[in-house]
Amino acid sequence: DAGVIQSPRHEVTEMGQEVTLRCKPISGHDYLFWYRQTMMRGLELLIYFNNNVPIDDSGMPEDRFSAKMPNASFSTLKIQPSEPRDSAVYFCASSWGQGEKQYFGPGTRLTVT
Amino acid sequence: KQEVTQIPAALSVPEGENLVLNCSFTDSAIYNLQWFRQDPGKGLTSLLLIQSSQREQTSGRLNASLDKSSGRSTLYIAASQPGDSATYLCAVKMRDYKLSFGAGTTVTVRA
Repeated sequence: DAGVIQSPRHEVTEMGQEVTLRCKPISGHDYLFWYRQTMMRGLELLIYFNNNVPIDDSGMPEDRFSAKMPNASFSTLKIQPSEPRDSAVYFCASSWGQGEKQYFGPGTRLTVT
Repeated sequence: KQEVTQIPAALSVPEGENLVLNCSFTDSAIYNLQWFRQDPGKGLTSLLLIQSSQREQTSGRLNASLDKSSGRSTLYIAASQPGDSATYLCAVKMRDYKLSFGAGTTVTVRA
């Protein structure tokens, strides 16, 4: 299996622009998670899906953030408009079942200038 | 709110020495605990997962213990190698199925 795939790997954008991050989970996994990692706050869960349905989005910082999962093999995290404080590494992870290991993608490093 | 603490923040040892990494958590009502490894600029790799009913898990040179009542887990890495240099993260999953991460311990194994 190719593992969790994220794109792009790096994104540099200007403040105010829309940013879309993409994730392809491991085939057969029914849970998908979006995390953000910063030096100040470490790793934080933003939102997670079960069978394409958002279950808990309490970690999404503001209304500028939105996430969708239109099918079992694709999810997006969108920031509109982006701000410099959104600069971070965004990880996608997937698992089969709630209690199982989570497998992480390589991350997208976002820089907002 | 679950608080996960990892001490020390950084550790440097000579090759061949055993590593002991500590993780503590404030709420003992956990679902499971997972240890991850993160290499610079990379994603996280799951090392070991311990269910709340278990006391330890082993994989090769790695052994993780769990003491729920005291809110502690320890990751042991035997006979360390330079390739073990990385940041090790502890993550606790609660009954709401959310993972709470520690800040990590950055390990350097000197050749």
